[in-house]
Amino acid sequence: DAKTTQPTSMDCAEGRAANLPCNHSTISGNEYVYWYRQIHSQGPQYIIHGLKNNETNEMASLIITEDRKSSTLILPHATLRDTAVYYCIVRPMTTDSWGKLQFGAGTQVVVTP
Amino acid sequence: GAGVSQSPSNKVTEKGKDVELRCDPISGHTALYWYRQSLGQGLEFLIYFQGNSAPDKSGLPSDRFSAERTGGSVSTLTIQRTQQEDSAVYLCASSLEGRFHYGYTFGSGTRLTVV
Repeated sequence: DAKTTQPTSMDCAEGRAANLPCNHSTISGNEYVYWYRQIHSQGPQYIIHGLKNNETNEMASLIITEDRKSSTLILPHATLRDTAVYYCIVRPMTTDSWGKLQFGAGTQVVVTP
Repeated sequence: GAGVSQSPSNKVTEKGKDVELRCDPISGHTALYWYRQSLGQGLEFLIYFQGNSAPDKSGLPSDRFSAERTGGSVSTLTIQRTQQEDSAVYLCASSLEGRFHYGYTFGSGTRLTVV
């Protein structure tokens, strides 16, 4: 029961912005969009999350469409160390209780020199 | 400690033996997950501990798998009568959860090989 759809893979040139799309057309009003990444042989790393407003932190920006059916993770200046599998996840929150975090297949991003 | 610590980092065991995998979460973190990742595959959810609530065990693949979290801190994942298909990297993650949440911190994992 896949709640998100991401491209299997994408390449990005070093120094350029990497724009990673994610479709979540069945997202509910209480579900947040999360992004994690996993560099080879390491545990996943939290990147960013949001509900409906665009978010930015030191790692990336998250752009969520107004209807919340899709989002884009932006790595502003990709480096070789950004090569990883990127996971887009929707996760519900009801009152103060969070739903479990479930990972899909993700997008394999390769940053090339 | 500064991060999530898992031990052992590598474990080789014979088929049919029991194994225990340990996770030391970040101090004060109320939520803890166990996942496993087979070679070249995605992360498979196993179990989720959230504060004092009953754990969500819906991802445990069989009754050979169990987990506990003592005193709201250290967690142990136990696999009884191991099988070759149990070979995988077992990952633990913790977070301080509440109304505001800033993501999970993962450990480096335990690589389990069943021979």
